Amino acid sequence: SQKIEQNSEALNIQEGKTATLTCNYTNYSPAYLQWYRQDPGRGPVFLLLIRENEKEKRKERLKVTFDTTLKQSLFHITASQPADSATYLCALAPDTGRRALTFGSGTRLQVQP
Amino acid sequence: NAGVTQTPKFRVLKTGQSMTLLCAQDMNHEYMYWYRQDPGMGLRLIHYSVGEGTTAKGEVPDGYNVSRLKKQNFLLGLESAAPSQTSVYFCASSYFGQGDNEQFFGPGTRLTVL
Repeated sequence: SQKIEQNSEALNIQEGKTATLTCNYTNYSPAYLQWYRQDPGRGPVFLLLIRENEKEKRKERLKVTFDTTLKQSLFHITASQPADSATYLCALAPDTGRRALTFGSGTRLQVQP
Repeated sequence: NAGVTQTPKFRVLKTGQSMTLLCAQDMNHEYMYWYRQDPGMGLRLIHYSVGEGTTAKGEVPDGYNVSRLKKQNFLLGLESAAPSQTSVYFCASSYFGQGDNEQFFGPGTRLTVL
């Protein structure tokens, strides 16, 4: 069955460092991969989308990579700030078939001042 | 624009009771979704709709029903609540359903079934 894995342990880093979060998947060939941010008590908020034919995507301090050979996406936040502390979810979608995202369980990031 | 709104924000039910969760969006989106989020499980799709008057089953549809009578509204019903339905429920919408369309989420409804 399809499986999406994100590190369930919280990631703690110091302010100013680069945070790197991992999303691994198995038994899946996604055409699209999205990253969302979720703050406690709130709904997820879309951050970035990357397509299977794109290796890397950037938006301000955010960078996403997509390696279809390794079946992995890496999400980077450079010059991290305490305000970046949140849970980050990856979500995958196929090119055809049911038009819905499959979400990972998320990784909590804590940026220490 | 209010985006996606959900009512109620919190609810406590007794086993066997019924309730309806309301989701509304003002972005003229075609697609709407209901998810549940449980600790360590991530977001799981319950039902979704590809347009007014249509609904389809998601990953975990048992025990739930939905209706989309108006394009802007998507209702989730629990006919006979069970403790296993204790969860946080999120509604989302997107313009189209392809994977390159971002989803907009509501603030969630926290439901406890005793």
